[in-house]
Amino acid sequence: GAVVSQHPSRVICKSGTSVKIECRSLDFQATTMFWYRQFPKQSLMLMATSNEGSKATYEQGVEKDKFLINHASLTLSTLTVTSAHPEDSSFYICSATDGNYGYTFGSGTRLTVV
Amino acid sequence: GIQVEQSPPDLILQEGANSTLRCNFSDSVNNLQWFHQNPWGQLINLFYIPSGTKQNGRLSATTVATERYSLLYISSSQTTDSGVYFCAVERLGNYKLSFGAGTTVTVRA
Repeated sequence: GAVVSQHPSRVICKSGTSVKIECRSLDFQATTMFWYRQFPKQSLMLMATSNEGSKATYEQGVEKDKFLINHASLTLSTLTVTSAHPEDSSFYICSATDGNYGYTFGSGTRLTVV
Repeated sequence: GIQVEQSPPDLILQEGANSTLRCNFSDSVNNLQWFHQNPWGQLINLFYIPSGTKQNGRLSATTVATERYSLLYISSSQTTDSGVYFCAVERLGNYKLSFGAGTTVTVRA
């Protein structure tokens, strides 16, 4: 089945620095990938849709300049949290679909900004 | 956007019990999936079930698309079934998933 790899699984960074999270589709090509954010004991909130070779589409209320998305190839999308602050601390999850069996999710990245 | 409502929000079971989780959605869908989120945050895909009935071991699911609901059945529950169960749907013509609030299941030994 479809496999999506995400790393790092956990990152701690200092306030004001930037953090990059990678999401790879291992055994299929994904023209579209998705980035979600999850707060403790809450559901997943879609942040943006990452489109290979074009600009990402952001959901309402998500800061484009804060959360930079690059989908450079058919198997890789990256999310960069720029000038991170403690309120950006959260669980970030990516997903992709091979078009046949629904959406597959990465294992998530727990970001802590200190 | 499409509304996805899951019930109950919390469920406490004794090991060996059976249970039913429900997902109602407000519009026609291309896709419906049930996920189990484990304690480490990984979302495990349980079923891809836009319509019909499927079974996988002790778990089964039924989606009645015309009536806009889906049910997830857990039989002979085990402590390893504990976690949060999410229903997520992809509205017809809108290629992204919308999640329900989840059902937190606790299975006690």
